[in-house]
Amino acid sequence: SAVISQKPSRDICQRGTSLTIQCQVDSQVTMMFWYRQQPGQSLTLIATANQGSEATYESGFVIDKFPISRPNLTFSTLTVSNMSPEDSSIYLCSSTPTSGRADPGEQFFGPGTRLTVL
Amino acid sequence: GENVEQHPSTLSVQEGDSAVIKCTYSDSASNYFPWYKQELGKRPQLIIDIRSNVGEKKDQRIAVTLNKTAKHFSLHITETQPEDSAVYFCAATPPGNRLAFGKGNQVVVIP
Repeated sequence: SAVISQKPSRDICQRGTSLTIQCQVDSQVTMMFWYRQQPGQSLTLIATANQGSEATYESGFVIDKFPISRPNLTFSTLTVSNMSPEDSSIYLCSSTPTSGRADPGEQFFGPGTRLTVL
Repeated sequence: GENVEQHPSTLSVQEGDSAVIKCTYSDSASNYFPWYKQELGKRPQLIIDIRSNVGEKKDQRIAVTLNKTAKHFSLHITETQPEDSAVYFCAATPPGNRLAFGKGNQVVVIP
């Protein structure tokens, strides 16, 4: 499986500011995803990061709040904009192996970014 | 969209006993069912998966069974060990779609 890293691993931010989280994969991957996991909860998909085009957002998530970039097949960023305490969560990126398969089912996760908004 | 439910929410077992977690899904078109293990403070890790053309898959002490008719699948852990203590998430995905996760099961193995 691909090795996935995220930066930063954690951050404490002030209300109203923005934070950009980076996700780097050590090999080219077909699909990349961004999730949010609140304490003690399951994983909620924010969006699919599409290479060369706009991200596909899930219901309840909008581009103005969570702009996403994916400039190439190994890298993506998620920005959490105009943060409030409700944005405090763990943000994880994931990717699917590149084996000629477009099925997004098999996903491997980065270590996560723990965000606290004061 | 796909809706995945997990039962029970918490499971405590004695070391050496077996643990079984069951998930149900709603979309009959779903064809891939992974299980993830997440230890405290760690990332979710894929431990086993099954596709809809298979009824059972085993990997050492863990196995997954799938009943497509009833739309449920289960994770079986035999000879449980303390390191099996974690939160386990099941998921389902219809073709070409995204993973829908269950709420997770906290498994506690009592030494």
